[in-house]
This record gives sequence, structure tokens and C-alpha cells, in this order.
Amino acid sequence: GAGVSQSPSNKVTEKGKDVELRCDPISGHTALYWYRQSLGQGLEFLIYFQGNSAPDKSGLPSDRFSAERTGGSVSTLTIQRTQQEDSAVYLCASSFAPKGAGNTIYFGEGSWLTVV
Amino acid sequence: KQEVTQIPAALSVPEGENLVLNCSFTDSAIYNLQWFRQDPGKGLTSLLLIQSSQREQTSGRLNASLDKSSGRSTLYIAASQPGDSATYLCAALNAGGTSYGKLTFGQGTILTVHP
Repeated sequence: GAGVSQSPSNKVTEKGKDVELRCDPISGHTALYWYRQSLGQGLEFLIYFQGNSAPDKSGLPSDRFSAERTGGSVSTLTIQRTQQEDSAVYLCASSFAPKGAGNTIYFGEGSWLTVV
Repeated sequence: KQEVTQIPAALSVPEGENLVLNCSFTDSAIYNLQWFRQDPGKGLTSLLLIQSSQREQTSGRLNASLDKSSGRSTLYIAASQPGDSATYLCAALNAGGTSYGKLTFGQGTILTVHP
């Protein structure tokens, strides 16, 4: 596709349920990022992939959060046993970033998660 | 650990004014610094990217500068318009250590341009 695609765009879930958020990066982009933005807050780094591996998982808030990327393309962020504090916009971004280079990073529109 | 700070947190100006948004970062080992715009309820749109070897980049009414040694970047907006109203975010892409490849954001500057 032309841009970074995220799904679902909106998700309302009950506390305690698991949710999966999907990110389809721009074709050919090697780096993929997940960020979280709570209402009125800045962007919180969650995890970053270079290809299928995650050099930096330091931002995942708890062991309820996990992410994977397969085939160097689509990534899934999974939140288990959701809590109300997980309510936020989850933003995915990608860039063409072979090691040693830094290029423009493109963001998707985000997945708006509400836990009730 | 990279920390990015933006000043001011909010700015309200009349249409037509020139303005400057400030961004500072603590770790100068960066690949680049990017400025983004975020409209309410939307994702982020990249405005300008300055590589670590560059001093400035220009796009239309926007000009971004980078002083890596002092850990500072500025975004200059000329002849502001109401359509420029948005949150502006700067982000540093880390080049080394355990934070390699990590994009660290500032908290943003909320800009309002009134007619």
C-alpha cells in the first residue's frame, strides 16, 4: 500500500480481554516501530523491529504486552488481560533503515483502544 | 538515555507572525532529527528530517536547524496561518549503544494560530 496501515482503527474491549493490533508497514521498509499515546500525553516508545528481530523491547510496559513481526513485514502487538490504563492510541511507524542509516519515518493513523 | 525536551509547551499567535519552536536533546549520538505535525485525532506527518551531518532543511515556509554539538534544533515557521494550528513534535533517532535505532520524542508544542 501507499502508507502504513493499521487495524483496527478503533477497538472497544472489556477489561480482562485480549486484543491484537496489526500494522502493515510500507513495502520494503526494514524498520518498524510501535508507540503509545495516551490522551493529552506525548509518545511513549514500546518496541522497535529491524527486520524480524527486536533490538529494543525496553518500552513494553509489562509482560501483558508482546509484539512480533513475521516475514519482515506485518507486525502484531498483543495486549493480554487488558486494563483500563491500556486505553490509548497505538501508533505504528516504518522506515527504510538498513543498519547505519536514518531515514524518514512514516506513521500510520493509529489504533484507538478503549478498555471499559 | 536520550531525553528530548520541547519549549514552549503551547504557543498562541496571530496570523502572519513568524515563530520558532525549540527542541533539545541530551545525547548527541543521533542519525537524524525529525519534526512532525499531529492534528487532533490523527497520526503523525513528517515535516522535515535533518541528518546529523546537516545544519538545516527547508520546505516551503518551514525551516529546521540542527546544532548537534549543543543538542538543539529549532523549527521556524514563516508567515503563520490558521491551518498551521496543530501539535508539533520533534524526535531524535539514536545512533548508538543499546538505544540504536530508537526514535525518542519530545512532549510537543501545541500551536494555535488565530485569524
